[in-house]
Order: sequence, then structure tokens, then C-alpha cells
Amino acid sequence: DAGITQSPRYKITETGRQVTLMCHQTWSHSYMFWYRQDLGHGLRLIYYSAAADITDKGEVPDGYVVSRSKTENFPLTLESATRSQTSVYFCASSVEGNTEAFFGQGTRLTVV
Amino acid sequence: AQSVTQPDIHITVSEGASLELRCNYSYGATPYLFWYVQSPGQGLQLLLKYFSGDTLVQGIKGFEAEFKRSQSSFNLRKPSVHWSDAAEYFCAVGADTGRRALTFGSGTRLQVQP
Repeated sequence: DAGITQSPRYKITETGRQVTLMCHQTWSHSYMFWYRQDLGHGLRLIYYSAAADITDKGEVPDGYVVSRSKTENFPLTLESATRSQTSVYFCASSVEGNTEAFFGQGTRLTVV
Repeated sequence: AQSVTQPDIHITVSEGASLELRCNYSYGATPYLFWYVQSPGQGLQLLLKYFSGDTLVQGIKGFEAEFKRSQSSFNLRKPSVHWSDAAEYFCAVGADTGRRALTFGSGTRLQVQP
């Protein structure tokens, strides 16, 4: 199916473990984004990418790593998970960075 | 850098009543403005967007929003709320310069009473 898909939908991991959240889009959009959603904070930008091999930090990048070797994929890695990274993570894509963004269903990550 | 403020964390309205959700933005030039809706456990769906032109924009599900440059506002309205409108609503701003990504407000949770 066309669109933007995230996997897994739910993940529980332990403090200190590395975990990777996957994001795949079928539209060939240039821009892709990772946001985290926390109560009272809305959505905060973690990282974004303007094209393959081009990534840039958002508001809250610490503790996260991204890569974009292919246009359609934009994985987010927590190198050493902390409890403060318990959140709902949304991947999105858009044609231009400042235009309509299309969102995935989200990944609910719990760090115990 | 651009920013968005949604002053109301939580709003409750009766079914059939009118609705207005407030959004104020901060950006030096003409912004790109968006309203998204999020149902529980779901991703975000675009309701409407403003890029330029007519300051009153129509969206899906009977929603509309008005861009007021003098007030730096982009309030969302609906004349008659349905129970299915209960959700969280996010205002967002995009900019031509600097970081080319949408900046979101903290959201307004809408409850609809029967």
C-alpha cells in the first residue's frame, strides 16, 4: 500500500539498550522527519532530512541518531535508551519541508 | 525561529454547539499555517492549510480557519460540533527560511458532551 509506514507500532526496551525505529514512505518525498509526542509538549522535531544523505538536527536531537541512505527510508536509532525517551514517535514526509506533512501511525516506545 | 502557541489545553463543548480553537504564531514573514487532528491512537490528519490568498480557508469535516496577520492568529472554527470531532487538534507553522520543517503547538484536546 502507498503511504508512510512505521515499525514497530509498540516497543518496550530496557534502559541502555539500542533500539531502532523504522520509517518507510512510498511517495518519493524529498523531506522526512522524526517527531516525538509528549503530553504538554505537542510534537517536537528530533531530526529531519531534506534528501538522501542529508540530515539535520531538530529541537531535541540528543540521544538519537538518524541516517538516510535511500530516499524512502529514514530510521531513527536510540543509541542507549533512557527513560526520558519513553514517548510516541511519529515519522512524516513532505514534498517541501515547510508544506503539508504526511504522518505515519506512530511508534509507542516504553523504556523501562 | 518560528513558534506556535495554543492557549487552550482542553476544551469541552456540547454537541451541536459552535467551536473555536485558538492558535497564535510567531514568524517574521508570511507563514504557512496548518491545522491537524489526531484521534486516539492514530497519526495526524491534515484538516486545512493556508499558504497565501484568501485568508478564510475551508477544510475537511466542515472546519474552517481564518488567517489574521494583525493578530498573528490562525483560529480553527466549526459551526456545529459532532461527537466524532472529539480529538486532539494541533496548529503548525512552516517557514521559508531556516529550518524547513513544521513547528507544532502543544495541542488542544476537544471533548464533546452529548
